[in-house]
Amino acid sequence: SAVISQKPSRDICQRGTSLTIQCQVDSQVTMMFWYRQQPGQSLTLIATANQGSEATYESGFVIDKFPISRPNLTFSTLTVSNMSPEDSSIYLCSVQGRSGANVLTFGAGSRLTVL
Amino acid sequence: AQSVTQLGSHVSVSEGALVLLRCNYSSSVPPYLFWYVQYPNQGLQLLLKYTSAATLVKGINGFEAEFKKSETSFHLTKPSAHMSDAAEYFCAVSRGDGNQFYFGTGTSLTVIP
Repeated sequence: SAVISQKPSRDICQRGTSLTIQCQVDSQVTMMFWYRQQPGQSLTLIATANQGSEATYESGFVIDKFPISRPNLTFSTLTVSNMSPEDSSIYLCSVQGRSGANVLTFGAGSRLTVL
Repeated sequence: AQSVTQLGSHVSVSEGALVLLRCNYSSSVPPYLFWYVQYPNQGLQLLLKYTSAATLVKGINGFEAEFKKSETSFHLTKPSAHMSDAAEYFCAVSRGDGNQFYFGTGTSLTVIP
């Protein structure tokens, strides 16, 4: 399966600031997905990032709060803007597996704490 | 619409005992079902998947799951727990086209020596 590198692995941020999370894949992929994993809750899809077009956001997530870039087929960034303590979460990058579209491969995640 | 429900947010078993983690799904189309495992400070790793072939699916690390359509269940089992099995386990469902995955809230497995 694809190897995904995410950074930072964790960070502590102040309220009102923004943080950009990077996701690097070791192979070219069509779609990259950004998930949020809140404590005690399901993984929630934030958006799907396609190269060459704007990201597609799920209900409850907006581009102003979570701008996404996808400059090429191996890289994407997710920015969490104007952070509040409610944004404290693990943010996960994922891609469809090489063995088929019906499997997701995940990065190790970025654990974000907002004070 | 699709969703999964994992019964029991925390499960504790003794080392060597049977592991049973429960997952029930809801799907308006034939589902693709998955179990993922997350070790501390790591991403999710695929344990096994059901994609409409054999109903009993074997995965890595001795885990297996059985798809039971009549019960809308996809419970994860392992005959004998090992200390290294301690982790968070997530059940997930998708339509199979790769565009939407729905995850359960996770079950934290503790293995008692």
